[in-house]
Amino acid sequence: SYELTQPPSVSVSPGQTARITCSADALPKQYAYWYQQKPGQAPVLVIYKDSERPSGIPERFSGSSSGTTVTLTISGVQAEDEADYYCQSADSSGTSWVFGGGTKLTVL
Amino acid sequence: EVQLVQSGAEVKKPGESLKISCKGSGYSFTSYWIGWVRQMPGKGLEWMGIIYPGDSDTRYSPSFQGQVTISADKSISTAYLQWSSLKASDTAMYYCAGQGIRDLRFVGAFDIWGQGTMVTVSS
Repeated sequence: SYELTQPPSVSVSPGQTARITCSADALPKQYAYWYQQKPGQAPVLVIYKDSERPSGIPERFSGSSSGTTVTLTISGVQAEDEADYYCQSADSSGTSWVFGGGTKLTVL
Repeated sequence: EVQLVQSGAEVKKPGESLKISCKGSGYSFTSYWIGWVRQMPGKGLEWMGIIYPGDSDTRYSPSFQGQVTISADKSISTAYLQWSSLKASDTAMYYCAGQGIRDLRFVGAFDIWGQGTMVTVSS
């Protein structure tokens, strides 16, 4: 079955830049989406269509795409950004959705 | 206000059946896909399947095909996830989520989420 691969964990100090990657074969053909999930809460959409940011999401969140890898970048990380982050995309047929395994962002 | 409100927590025994619900309000329920997502304790998000309430077109993840049934009743703006015979391994939080509801540019993104329904299966 189709899979999106994320690193299990990323750690950064406050004010630094965090980069979380997501890799899969179909990513050049399918958009990727990113979600933030804090403990005990439902996920929140932070990036759509690879690099677009919904209103209300801080400008420090950005997304990019290169080949089979998409990247969520959080510039000037703040303590409140500590959370699990998930990428989501579709398989090559576009009929089946999948989430990445998730990345735990720790703010040191 | 656009929202998805899910039914409350459930505690069931193995072998029992269960149907949980997700009621949409504040938008045209029949015009947007609603998906179901499983999150086992301490684990990540898993896409289970999706339904278009307008015509009940339904798609399942291969991992969940045959294990659950997704349906919708557009007359009451409610989507459902059901099991015919629960297993202990079905213990998880289940979220419903709508695609592209807040903004048409979000198509493909799950931009509105329910609060989750915790299902516990234990003898």
